Parts: sequence; structure tokens; C-alpha cells
Amino acid sequence: SQQGEEDPQALSIQEGENATMNCSYKTSINNLQWYRQNSGRGLVHLILIRSNEREKHSGRLRVTLDTSKKSSSLLITASRAADTASYFCATVYDRGSTLGRLYFGRGTQLTVWP
Amino acid sequence: EAQVTQNPRYLITVTGKKLTVTCSQNMNHEYMSWYRQDPGLGLRQIYYSMNVEVTDKGDVPEGYKVSRKEKRNFPLILESPSPNQTSLYFCATRTGTFYEQYFGPGTRLTVT
Repeated sequence: SQQGEEDPQALSIQEGENATMNCSYKTSINNLQWYRQNSGRGLVHLILIRSNEREKHSGRLRVTLDTSKKSSSLLITASRAADTASYFCATVYDRGSTLGRLYFGRGTQLTVWP
Repeated sequence: EAQVTQNPRYLITVTGKKLTVTCSQNMNHEYMSWYRQDPGLGLRQIYYSMNVEVTDKGDVPEGYKVSRKEKRNFPLILESPSPNQTSLYFCATRTGTFYEQYFGPGTRLTVT
């Protein structure tokens, strides 16, 4: 399978704490993207990091990419109850028959308690 | 407002009765995809299209058809639905190969 793998599958924290989710993938990528999904709704794009970038920020989100380890992490700082959602990483491969295809992991379910 | 619309949003049907789920986008995006989402399996791509009249199979194309006659529309056709096609379906678009995707609101399909 070309899917990425998120870790952990589920994460439960208190408001104000930081949440860290990890994603591992298998082969050379063009970019890696993170999405959020509120229960049963469409996915919303959060951030895209290209293979030549190591870190990217967007508001309370920080994404890192380590291409040597084929892994990425998403950090949500000072979490809020409204951050409760499933978070998915998606990898875009840059060669071969999978060129340009977007592969999603199974997601991390984040629950933030008030 | 930039958006991806899907219809219907909810559908309950019976085995073998042909159905079409429509997807339309107003962002002039070249690339459109269909995914299904099942518990524990994440999102799996059914079909994708890189431009008008260009479509290709994703990871789970069996039992589905698509067409791309116009840039804005990408309907998903189930010629003879079966219970194992009960799922949450998403249409998604992006402006190019290496860009972020915009998702529709989803269509929850139940086949009995």
C-alpha cells in the first residue's frame, strides 16, 4: 500500500495542551499535506510542506518534514475544544506510476477536553 | 464563493438500482478525484481525472464509472450498486498535480 501511516490512532488531551501527531511514508515524495475532518464532513486542507522544506508554520500549527526518515509531524499548540477532529496526512509522490497521486493515511482522532 | 458541491448528500437505495452522484466545482480546477471513506480504512481513491476527457483508475475502481465531459463536472456512476459500496463518498479538486485538494461535503450512500 502507498498509504501513509499516522501515529497515534487516537489522542486525548486537555485544552491548552499541545497535540503532536506523526506520519510516516514509504517512498520519495513531492510534498506532504495535512487535512482535518470534523465528524462525517469534508476534509479541510491545513498545510502543505514540500520535500525541500523542513518546517512550516500556520497559526497554531507547526509541521516538520524529515525526508531521511520519511516522516512528518503536526504540532497543534495551545489546543482548544474546537480542534477536536480527525487529522490526516496525505503524501504526493513524485515519480513512477504514482506520480501526482495523493495517498491518505487512516488518520489520528484528536479529542480536546474543556 | 469557491466551492465543490455534491448531490445528493444522503442516499439510501437497493441493490442493482443504477445511481449517479454528481460533483461540480467553480474553481476552474483541472484535477478532480473521487474517494470513498470507510471506518478503519481511511480514504481510498476510486477514480481521478487530470483534465476533460482524461480519467484514470485509482485504488478501488471496481463497480464504479466516471466521466469528464466538462471541466467543472465529474459524476460518479454506480451501474449496479451492491451493499459493499455502502460508504461515505467525497469528490475533491485541485488546481494542479502538486497542490492541495478541496473537498466536497460528502455523500453518504447506503445500499440495502
